[in-house]
Amino acid sequence: GESVGLHLPTLSVQEGDNSIINCAYSNSASDYFIWYKQESGKGPQFIIDIRSNMDKRQGQRVTVLLNKTVKHLSLQIAATQPGDSAVYFCAEFLLTGRRALTFGSGTRLQVQP
Amino acid sequence: DTAVSQTPKYLVTQMGNDKSIKCEQNLGHDTMYWYKQDSKKFLKIMFSYNNKELIINETVPNRFSPKSPDKAHLNLHINSLELGDSAVYFCASSHGPGANVLTFGAGSRLTVL
Repeated sequence: GESVGLHLPTLSVQEGDNSIINCAYSNSASDYFIWYKQESGKGPQFIIDIRSNMDKRQGQRVTVLLNKTVKHLSLQIAATQPGDSAVYFCAEFLLTGRRALTFGSGTRLQVQP
Repeated sequence: DTAVSQTPKYLVTQMGNDKSIKCEQNLGHDTMYWYKQDSKKFLKIMFSYNNKELIINETVPNRFSPKSPDKAHLNLHINSLELGDSAVYFCASSHGPGANVLTFGAGSRLTVL
């Protein structure tokens, strides 16, 4: 179930529209940037990642864009479906040192039928 | 077949009690993690084990003690529970410590009264 009083940024889109979820990351030395999806009552699920030497990567209905100049990451979902409704997290990963995912704050995507 | 399973899913207990959460993965992964998700959905790593050895130990009160009897299991024991320990605890696993793709369990919601 959901907790009362959450203040997650929320993006509300119509079914069939494209969605763009944005993330500002903090560590310019990160080697990978990753998107995870968390549906209600479930754990986060890997969607797609992008290496720091790339600026775009496409998956099935999803595209991740990386702008290292402004430390910005975005996830584009084409033809958004009700099953896409979830909280989306961006995460950073360093191949050296600690080697643990650092998650950003999430964005809730609500798909209106 | 559940890849990463944690028990119990819900845990309600009084302050001062001691409780454990168990986690098992059947993916053959070498690395396992505990993450804590607070009421604002913020996910933070607590511990990571690689092949039964502790490799990440974030600044977590020593009331929290992880134990990995083998590489497929990672349990979390919490002593002297406090109100602030209320959260959802996620277990996760990955092929190795250098992986950014984690498979998460469904979470264990701990409520301390």
